[in-house]
Amino acid sequence: AQKITQTQPGMFVQEKEAVTLDCTYDTSDPSYGLFWYKQPSSGEMIFLIYQGSYDQQNATEGRYSLNFQKARKSANLVISASQLGDSAMYFCAALYNFNKFYFGSGTKLNVKP
Amino acid sequence: DVKVTQSSRYLVKRTGEKVFLECVQDMDHENMFWYRQDPGLGLRLIYFSYDVKMKEKGDIPEGYSVSREKKERFSLILESASTNQTSMYLCASTQTGNTEAFFGQGTRLTVV
Repeated sequence: AQKITQTQPGMFVQEKEAVTLDCTYDTSDPSYGLFWYKQPSSGEMIFLIYQGSYDQQNATEGRYSLNFQKARKSANLVISASQLGDSAMYFCAALYNFNKFYFGSGTKLNVKP
Repeated sequence: DVKVTQSSRYLVKRTGEKVFLECVQDMDHENMFWYRQDPGLGLRLIYFSYDVKMKEKGDIPEGYSVSREKKERFSLILESASTNQTSMYLCASTQTGNTEAFFGQGTRLTVV
């Protein structure tokens, strides 16, 4: 199976600080997409950000940015100015061959006041 | 508002029962997926379908089958439910080449 690895099962961050959630992927496909999803305790999956393998610039969406390092096969999520509402599970995912969608094991982020 | 709808939020079934989990999407998406989510393991792909009547095994297909008779509906079938299939099941859909997967609300299945 194509692998997505998230090595941080849980993390703490102080409110208003920045935090980086790690993600590495493993594929030989030249074309793929990388995603981050947020899952609050209510259970729904919320799309945060997308990076295409051919995109030259790192993706940004508001307080979220994706630090894409293609040679290292890493796609870390950076959340700036953390808020209490950012406390949730975060999943990294990759789309291969235009339709195979795989997820990592997740990182539980806790934002402390 | 785009939607992926799973037929049940919570289900309790007995060991050995045949269980159907239904998922319907209204976005005319080609691809549909079934995952199970377990603590510490993330979302693991059970099966996916890229067209009507087409299916491919994911990473953990054992004990499951699927059916896609219509484009909008993707069913997950547990032929004979076992206690190790107690889990949260998530359905998702995507348009080929698009940049987002849309998820259902999840079905928490308990097999007793």
